[in-house]
Parts: sequence; C-alpha cells; structure tokens
Amino acid sequence: DTGVSQDPRHKITKRGQNVTFRCDPISEHNRLYWYRQTLGQGPEFLTYFQNEAQLEKSRLLSDRFSAERPKGSFSTLEIQRTEQGDSAMYLCASSFPPGQSNEQFFGPGTRLTVL
Amino acid sequence: RKEVEQDPGPFNVPEGATVAFNCTYSNSASQSFFWYRQDCRKEPKLLMSVYSSGNEDGRFTAQLNRASQYISLLIRDSKLSDSATYLCVVNMEEWAGKSTFGDGTTLTVKP
Repeated sequence: DTGVSQDPRHKITKRGQNVTFRCDPISEHNRLYWYRQTLGQGPEFLTYFQNEAQLEKSRLLSDRFSAERPKGSFSTLEIQRTEQGDSAMYLCASSFPPGQSNEQFFGPGTRLTVL
Repeated sequence: RKEVEQDPGPFNVPEGATVAFNCTYSNSASQSFFWYRQDCRKEPKLLMSVYSSGNEDGRFTAQLNRASQYISLLIRDSKLSDSATYLCVVNMEEWAGKSTFGDGTTLTVKP
C-alpha cells in the first residue's frame, strides 16, 4: 500500500498522559500536514511541513502540541498532558511539491479518546 | 464567523435527483478551491478542484465566483453511492498548503 499511513489507528489514554502519533506520507510527497477533526465538523488545520521545515502552525495549537519531521520523511505529533478536549480524530495528509498537484492525500487517521 | 461556511444539511434526495451545495469563504486573498468527499468514518478524498471558469467531471459541476466569494457544487442524476459529506476547502496558496475546511454538507441519496 503506497498511501499515507498513520499509527496507531486508535489510542485511549487518561487525562494528563502524553501521547505520540506517527504519520508516514507518500514517498514522493515533500509536504506533510496535520489536521484535527471532531464529530460534525470539518478537519481543522494544525501544522504543516515542507521537507523537514515546519512552515506554519495554527494559532489554535497550544504549547502542549508539538510536531516534528526530522528527516523530511515521517512525522510525529505529540500531545503532552492530554485533556478531554483533545479527544478527536487526528488526520495526516501529504502532497506533492508546489507546481505539481493541488491534491492532499489523507491517511486513515488516529482516533484519540481521553478519559 | 467561520472562514468557510457551508449549509450542513442534511440533504435527503431520491436517486436521479439534481442537488446543489453552496459554500462561502471570508478571505478574499484565497488562491485555490476544492471540494472533498468524506464517507462515514473515512478520510477526506479530493472530489474536484474548482476554477473561476467552472469545471465539470461527469455528473459533477463546480463553480467559483471570486467577486461573491462563493463556491458551488452541482450533482446531477444522483446515485446511492453519492451519499457522503461534501467538504468545501479553501487554500491561501495556489498549490496545496494550509487548507481551511468547511464543516461539510451531508447528502443522503435514497432509492
């Protein structure tokens, strides 16, 4: 399967714990995005990378959230001291370099439940 | 006010019907526009890009009015398989980049 993959698919954690999610983009894609989606709403932008550089981070993202893409391939999203409001689907997407295609390809998501 | 607004629906239509979805966006500097489709409990997938000249892909027609900051999607001859949530998406860049999604319009096509 050459699509975007995410791990884990589901995560249940207790309030106050730290969690880390991984995203493996399509190999030819140099841009990688993180979104969060809650029931009944569209995906909400969190951050994105071009290669290893983090180009933009949402102002809505608190300092408990951090994302990395150390070698310009896979990315991790860490949430520290989780809160019940962090419960959501976390979606990763990737796209070709600018000039090649507009399309963002999404992974299946990681569903986080904070108890 | 949200940056991208859509009528949430739901739209319940019989097979063969024509249905239209509307979307408005607030940032006049927006550069690129899309419709994505999201099936229940699945990830969003690109349905089509939207251009000022209008574009068509089979039964689907998308229109963009930059002056009114308005985007539309028309589905003709609805199929059961068209049942999904349709997300209006606006980017500040011409090529991908940060995407701002509407909350989606839910369509159910019934036999």
